[in-house]
Amino acid sequence: GENVEQHPSTLSVQEGDSAVIKCTYSDSASNYFPWYKQELGKRPQLIIDIRSNVGEKKDQRIAVTLNKTAKHFSLHITETQPEDSAVYFCAVKRDFGNEKLTFGTGTRLTIIP
Amino acid sequence: DAGITQSPRHKVTETGTPVTLRCHQTENHRYMYWYRQDPGHGLRLIHYSYGVKDTDKGEVSDGYSVSRSKTEDFLLTLESATSSQTSVYFCASLRVGGDGYTFGSGTRLTVV
Repeated sequence: GENVEQHPSTLSVQEGDSAVIKCTYSDSASNYFPWYKQELGKRPQLIIDIRSNVGEKKDQRIAVTLNKTAKHFSLHITETQPEDSAVYFCAVKRDFGNEKLTFGTGTRLTIIP
Repeated sequence: DAGITQSPRHKVTETGTPVTLRCHQTENHRYMYWYRQDPGHGLRLIHYSYGVKDTDKGEVSDGYSVSRSKTEDFLLTLESATSSQTSVYFCASLRVGGDGYTFGSGTRLTVV
């Protein structure tokens, strides 16, 4: 089955600095790569996603980059703010007929004021 | 995300007892999923459903069973609860052609 590795497991950055979280995957047929943010005691929420025909996608301060050849993708958060503190999960999925997300193990991001 | 609810939100049960968790969605989503979340393991798939009475096992299905008799309801049963099943359980749903899941609020289960 699919294997997704996520690094680092914990990350602390100064407010205003950038944060980068990386995931690698094993299944070359994976075609959909979302990132979820989970605040303490809450449900995971989709924050950004990318498909394999796109190399980069941005939404304000967050961006996701994909390298399908190397089978890795990354979440970039710029100008970090205290409200960015949360656990972030990457995930992968094939298209159609296999509608299951496989998640990474999560990264606890702490923004230091 | 009020379209998907889980019950109960918290439960404490004794080892060896059966437990059923309920997931209810009003989105008419075809696909539904049960995950468990544990520190260091992320979210791991227990069982999933492609439609009414159409279910399959995920990566950590031992000790769990599911049923889906209606589109809106997906039940997870721990046949005989063990301490290793202490976890936070999340239900999720997905529409046909959709990408990102809609998650429920989670159920914190403690087996003592």
